[in-house]
Amino acid sequence: DSGVTQTPKHLITATGQRVTLRCSPRSGDLSVYWYQQSLDQGLQFLIQYYNGEERAKGNILERFSAQQFPDLHSELNLSSLELGDSALYFCASSVAGGGEETQYFGPGTRLLVL
Amino acid sequence: EDQVTQSPEALRLQEGESSSLNCSYTVSGLRGLFWYRQDPGKGPEFLFTLYSAGEEKEKERLKATLTKKESFLHITAPKPEDSATYLCACNFNAGNMLTFGGGTRLMVKP
Repeated sequence: DSGVTQTPKHLITATGQRVTLRCSPRSGDLSVYWYQQSLDQGLQFLIQYYNGEERAKGNILERFSAQQFPDLHSELNLSSLELGDSALYFCASSVAGGGEETQYFGPGTRLLVL
Repeated sequence: EDQVTQSPEALRLQEGESSSLNCSYTVSGLRGLFWYRQDPGKGPEFLFTLYSAGEEKEKERLKATLTKKESFLHITAPKPEDSATYLCACNFNAGNMLTFGGGTRLMVKP
């Protein structure tokens, strides 16, 4: 158990819909990262937050957005969902967000768009 | 372009048959190389972090090593419970994101 929690575990929805994925980092960690894992793309970095502020952005679609709240939990919002958005979404956390830090991953949310 | 490549894509071993997994990188300014283990449908589980060439780390049957261009994950006398996908990831100077390789799917038969 990494100490990172994610809800829900599974999500089934339809194209065009909007969903919210939630992540709570390990106790004491200030930085949260979101990754997408699909069969053809592997694990891809989406976005990083540090202490409530966006710090780094990867190949995140404009339909996707995220935020980190004062209690440090984070939410990833996915809108206008397409079939290709079906994937595992992971949240990771680290202490301060530096590049040399180990990132600890949560159990993931499996999203299926029908 | 910074890239991380893992080989082989899949590896079948008999229980007790030692082997190595490779992770090669073309990353400018490596800040850290990370090994993770991932079971099907689960999140990546942290194994090791390596920072500089020549560094080695060990944990039970696993040993990770790092050179200037690649890292190896050596598995000594593997057991069926070592079956999983092993992921290598690099962090480079430009940011804090991890760039992952495609993984090696390891299957250990009893």
